[in-house]
Amino acid sequence: GNSVTQMEGPVTLSEEAFLTINCTYTATGYPSLFWYVQYPGEGLQLLLKATKADDKGSNKGFEATYRKETTSFHLEKGSVQVSDSAVYFCALSDSGGSNYKLTFGKGTLLTVNP
Amino acid sequence: NAGVTQTPKFRILKIGQSMTLQCTQDMNHNYMYWYRQDPGMGLKLIYYSVGAGITDKGEVPNGYNVSRSTTEDFPLRLELAAPSQTSVYFCAATGGRVPSSYNEQFFGPGTRLTVL
Repeated sequence: GNSVTQMEGPVTLSEEAFLTINCTYTATGYPSLFWYVQYPGEGLQLLLKATKADDKGSNKGFEATYRKETTSFHLEKGSVQVSDSAVYFCALSDSGGSNYKLTFGKGTLLTVNP
Repeated sequence: NAGVTQTPKFRILKIGQSMTLQCTQDMNHNYMYWYRQDPGMGLKLIYYSVGAGITDKGEVPNGYNVSRSTTEDFPLRLELAAPSQTSVYFCAATGGRVPSSYNEQFFGPGTRLTVL
């Protein structure tokens, strides 16, 4: 079956530091890949996505590239801000007959200190 | 558009009680989902629906029931609540008029349930 493994947290960084959160996946077919963000007390919001190999998703300074050869979708940001403190979830959707269900990683808590 | 709304936001139940978590979406999306989020465990799919009148089990359906009588509403029913059902519950929806719209699920704000 499908699975997502992401870097365990918590991750604590200083403002303006470089961020990487690793994510690897196992899936049948050709999944779409996502990063969702959950701010304290809120639901999940889509941060970025990529639907095919070598696609790069980007939003709010975050980037992730769909690497089929390494089955990875690592999240990066060059300079984090305090407002980026949240839980980040990597997820995949194997749309080939799976009814667009999402399989999530366990989440990585990021805390950015001023 | 309100998107996906959930009620209540918080609830405390006693063991053996029952309740219904409400979920409504105004985006005319076909697919709807219920997830539970436990600390450090990500989100697990409980039930999902591909349209009115059609529901199916997800990864962790035991102790829950759902119905989908309209496109907009997808309530989750807990019968005989147990402490293991203490969790945060999220409803989500996807699927509009174009295929690319199925590439994002829209989430509600969640319901925090405690069973004592």
